[in-house]
Amino acid sequence: ETGVTQTPRHLVMGMTNKKSLKCEQHLGHNAMYWYKQSAKKPLELMFVYSLEERVENNSVPSRFSPECPNSSHLFLHLHTLQPEDSALYLCASSHFPPRSATAGGDYGYTFGSGTRLTVV
Amino acid sequence: QKEVEQNSGPLSVPEGAIASLNCTYSDRGSQSFFWYRQYSGKSPELIMSIYSNGDKEDGRFTAQLNKASQYVSLLIRDSQPSDSATYLCAGRPNSGYSTLTFGKGTMLLVSP
Repeated sequence: ETGVTQTPRHLVMGMTNKKSLKCEQHLGHNAMYWYKQSAKKPLELMFVYSLEERVENNSVPSRFSPECPNSSHLFLHLHTLQPEDSALYLCASSHFPPRSATAGGDYGYTFGSGTRLTVV
Repeated sequence: QKEVEQNSGPLSVPEGAIASLNCTYSDRGSQSFFWYRQYSGKSPELIMSIYSNGDKEDGRFTAQLNKASQYVSLLIRDSQPSDSATYLCAGRPNSGYSTLTFGKGTMLLVSP
């Protein structure tokens, strides 16, 4: 299997549930990202992992907890979410540092198919 | 704050026309720029990347970069209804962990 795979594709959870989103990349990348995409808003960066170390955490509420056990896998653990957390959650991966044009070019991120999360 | 600005649209063009999508950015340190296409309910997919001033062509797509004016554009020639999607512009700064900054996206509608 190639590319970036996210599961599940859809998730409906109650505010008291605990669930996890999973992301797996088969591209040999060494950086992985979680983004949140809500209607009418730009993609919001949540977490960045580079070489399995969390390097950015953009003031995300503690009800979102990331985990990166190795460079190919990334999880987002969810608990006691709010209805406003309903959104499309996207995982992405890339090379880090970005490759220069002479080294083959910077191809930005490769995104997974996303998880459509609905909190009820 | 580093920002990437796009007109949200929708931009409506007839089939066969040239669609022109524009993007401006605030961070002069940004080195690389990307155009992603996102169909409704799907994830973004990379269309073009550009690093140098000028034009870069790939099939029906041409990306243009003007670092002095801090704008990036995407031209789609011979637009097709299948090009109807939201187009996201992103810039990569040359600092920190170089995470991409995305615009809100421009919705393109190509009518048959």
